[in-house]
Amino acid sequence: QVQLVQSGAEVKKPGASVKVSCTASGYTFASYGITWVRQAPGQGLEWMGWISAYNGNSNYAQSLQGRVTMIADTSTTTAYMELRSLRSEDTAVYYCARGFAVAAKLDHWGQGTLVTVSS
Amino acid sequence: EIILTQSPGTLSLSPGERATLSCRASQSVSSYLAWYQQKPGQAPRLLIYDASSRATGILDRFSGSGSGTDFTLTISRLEPEDFAVYFCQQYGSSPTFGQGTKVEIK
Repeated sequence: QVQLVQSGAEVKKPGASVKVSCTASGYTFASYGITWVRQAPGQGLEWMGWISAYNGNSNYAQSLQGRVTMIADTSTTTAYMELRSLRSEDTAVYYCARGFAVAAKLDHWGQGTLVTVSS
Repeated sequence: EIILTQSPGTLSLSPGERATLSCRASQSVSSYLAWYQQKPGQAPRLLIYDASSRATGILDRFSGSGSGTDFTLTISRLEPEDFAVYFCQQYGSSPTFGQGTKVEIK
């Protein structure tokens, strides 16, 4: 069965960077992409971007351009999302999800990774 | 950016009742709309995609309808496990989500 398993919770100081991993199994990794979505405490869902596991092409939300990088490693079937210059408002649960394209339904989700930004 | 507006914000119903949730897009998304269910402490789960297709394993008490700018998620008879938050998502262009509708027990 399709599974996406994310790395554990992180606590970071403002200005630092965080890198969250998402290890996929149960399907052909390179046939899909990975979308990253975040959810601030008590809030809705925010689309962050998508990366193709086939060719590494990526598309990021305009609001995060310049601070976010997504990569996909086909040798380990793991996707990574790095967010830099962290601010308190980046405190959120970060989810990875399987998506066929930039604009696609998200049919399988990771369990989420809480990132807390606090001095 | 396409804005999705969900209504109502909260729906208070009893088990066995019918739930009707609305999602309105600021411009047409054709049928590129999905619905997700999220329970506390859990990741969202895909229920409906392409406006009206049920995802794998989703029971037929969940149904979706609409196209263009107006969409509806209907839960025909609420079961205890259906009380949750529901989000719509458009993928007609750069994806966006609605703010969610909470279905709570009356």
